[in-house]
Amino acid sequence: DAKTTQPTSMDCAEGRAANLPCNHSTISGNEYVYWYRQIHSQGPQYIIHGLKNNETNEMASLIITEDRKSSTLILPHATLRDTAVYYCIVRPIQGAQKLVFGQGTRLTINP
Amino acid sequence: NAGVTQTPKFRVLKTGQSMTLLCAQDMNHEYMYWYRQDPGMGLRLIHYSVGEGTTAKGEVPDGYNVSRLKKQNFLLGLESAAPSQTSVYFCASSTDRVLVDNEQFFGPGTRLTVL
Repeated sequence: DAKTTQPTSMDCAEGRAANLPCNHSTISGNEYVYWYRQIHSQGPQYIIHGLKNNETNEMASLIITEDRKSSTLILPHATLRDTAVYYCIVRPIQGAQKLVFGQGTRLTINP
Repeated sequence: NAGVTQTPKFRVLKTGQSMTLLCAQDMNHEYMYWYRQDPGMGLRLIHYSVGEGTTAKGEVPDGYNVSRLKKQNFLLGLESAAPSQTSVYFCASSTDRVLVDNEQFFGPGTRLTVL
């Protein structure tokens, strides 16, 4: 079973920030939070990951709460091409990455 | 670099037929994975490999076999296809380096229909 809980769907206006929440209340100290997205019919694409600190890259920002029980993925200026299913995944730091995908959040960017 | 490629892209089988799906990666990754995705669902891990000559079961291994004879290739076999195996199959690969950004790179998928 997936160790994360995400809303089933969200909408966001083009050009606005999209904030996608994720609960991972049972996360352990040796587990990362990873975000992937899947644009229709394509293979999943890595977005960002973090352990304790907030992270930012060219695609998104990841905000992890101090107790690490939840996180938020932020797409700062959403475009129509960001319409996709977004998966929040926790996985151990070491070893084979046996990713467990939940159903994710279907994000729709509206013009 | 081509990244992760999958062959074929589409296939239709009759119940009881066999087939092999081929995954190839050119990134010198140690780890490779096979997932399946049913409509409206997230991906589920079938089998994975942590190196040449090794394989291990994932979440839903029944009805599938795998082989990793070469580091760059990971084969997924269906010996006797069943309609329940109708799905989209994704292959992925990643490095084995610890504490680095070892994200998984996914292929474009193989859409399999079993009649």
